[in-house]
Amino acid sequence: AQSVTQLGSHVSVSEGALVLLRCNYSSSVPPYLFWYVQYPNQGLQLLLKYTTGATLVKGINGFEAEFKKSETSFHLTKPSAHMSDAAEYFCAVSDSGANSKLTFGKGITLSVRP
Amino acid sequence: GAGVSQSPRYKVAKRGQDVALRCDPISGHVSLFWYQQALGQGPEFLTYFQNEAQLDKSGLPSDRFFAERPEGSVSTLKIQRTQQEDSAVYLCASSSQGTNYGYTFGSGTRLTVV
Repeated sequence: AQSVTQLGSHVSVSEGALVLLRCNYSSSVPPYLFWYVQYPNQGLQLLLKYTTGATLVKGINGFEAEFKKSETSFHLTKPSAHMSDAAEYFCAVSDSGANSKLTFGKGITLSVRP
Repeated sequence: GAGVSQSPRYKVAKRGQDVALRCDPISGHVSLFWYQQALGQGPEFLTYFQNEAQLDKSGLPSDRFFAERPEGSVSTLKIQRTQQEDSAVYLCASSSQGTNYGYTFGSGTRLTVV
């Protein structure tokens, strides 16, 4: 069985500050890992994914994440927060490929202060 | 269409009423998923179709939940005798088989059972 842990439910940063959203996973097989963003009253939008290969993954809107097998982590970062980054962020894991069933974490709400 | 379309966007049902939620996937997408997202939680898998075949329904919470995709395109999620705990956002997602892109979510249907 797979699981995802996103510690904390809310992160607040100042505009221009580093964004760090943590994600730890559990999987019995090499995982496929994802970060999704959800704006109010909208569906989930894929930010980035790790399948195989390079462990540092770059996504849309300046976000990136690093797969660390030894730490079972896939933390999301962005060097400089923008007001438009305020949203809910979900980490997810799949053990069967990028088009297979996903197990999501509970999500983290990111607030950006002016 | 350009994206995954779900209807209605909002549904209020009286307890005990039956509801039907519709999903129009991206044209040509083989795979279709349904997820349930309770307030303040991450999405949870309900069921998966490949074309018209329902290959995984392990996430359906009870026999009151039923999904179909008779022609391999539009899908309907039906909930019989709704209960308050069914209140959630129901998300549909679709993807092309054989790609590594991941899938596209619709904006969801928010079901409130009163």
